[in-house]
Amino acid sequence: DAGVIQSPRHEVTEMGQEVTLRCKPISGHNSLFWYRQTMMRGLELLIYFNNNVPIDDSGMPEDRFSAKMPNASFSTLKIQPSEPRDSAVYFCASSLGDRAPEKLFFGSGTQLSVL
Amino acid sequence: GNSVTQMEGPVTLSEEAFLTINCTYTATGYPSLFWYVQYPGEGLQLLLKATKADDKGSNKGFEATYRKETTSFHLEKGSVQVSDSAVYFCALRRNSGNTPLVFGKGTRLSVIA
Repeated sequence: DAGVIQSPRHEVTEMGQEVTLRCKPISGHNSLFWYRQTMMRGLELLIYFNNNVPIDDSGMPEDRFSAKMPNASFSTLKIQPSEPRDSAVYFCASSLGDRAPEKLFFGSGTQLSVL
Repeated sequence: GNSVTQMEGPVTLSEEAFLTINCTYTATGYPSLFWYVQYPGEGLQLLLKATKADDKGSNKGFEATYRKETTSFHLEKGSVQVSDSAVYFCALRRNSGNTPLVFGKGTRLSVIA
């Protein structure tokens, strides 16, 4: 199994540009989570999906952030326009949902730097 | 609401030293408790868990006991190795439905030879 695959691994962009982060969950997993990690705030849950449906997006910081999951094997997190304070590591994780909710499998993350 | 507080790092220890990383929680009801570990350049992975009071989770020499009376889940290891250098996250999850994990801020551990 390839695990959770995120792309790109690193993204450097200028303030105001659109950023799209991508995630491919583990096949068969029906829950998908987007987290943001910073030194100051630790690991924050941004949004999560069950069966491709967004369940809770209360962690999304503002309207500049949006996430989609068009099918069971792909999700995107978009920031438009990006700002320097968005610089962080963004993780995608997936799980088997109710069958094993604590067994989160994380991707390697996307290191985002907004200049 | 549900929250997790863990000791601030970084923690620096010599090889074979005893490790304790404190974690306390606030939650409605009786959550399940977890420790996750993040090695450099990687995502988090589950280290151990406990689902009810007085349960002890253990893995790779690490242990943590679910203490309802003190709302704590401290991580311990009797003899750390350089390979244990990582960031450790305490987390909880409500035991109802498919609710997401709530993580602490993480504690960085550095073990020196």
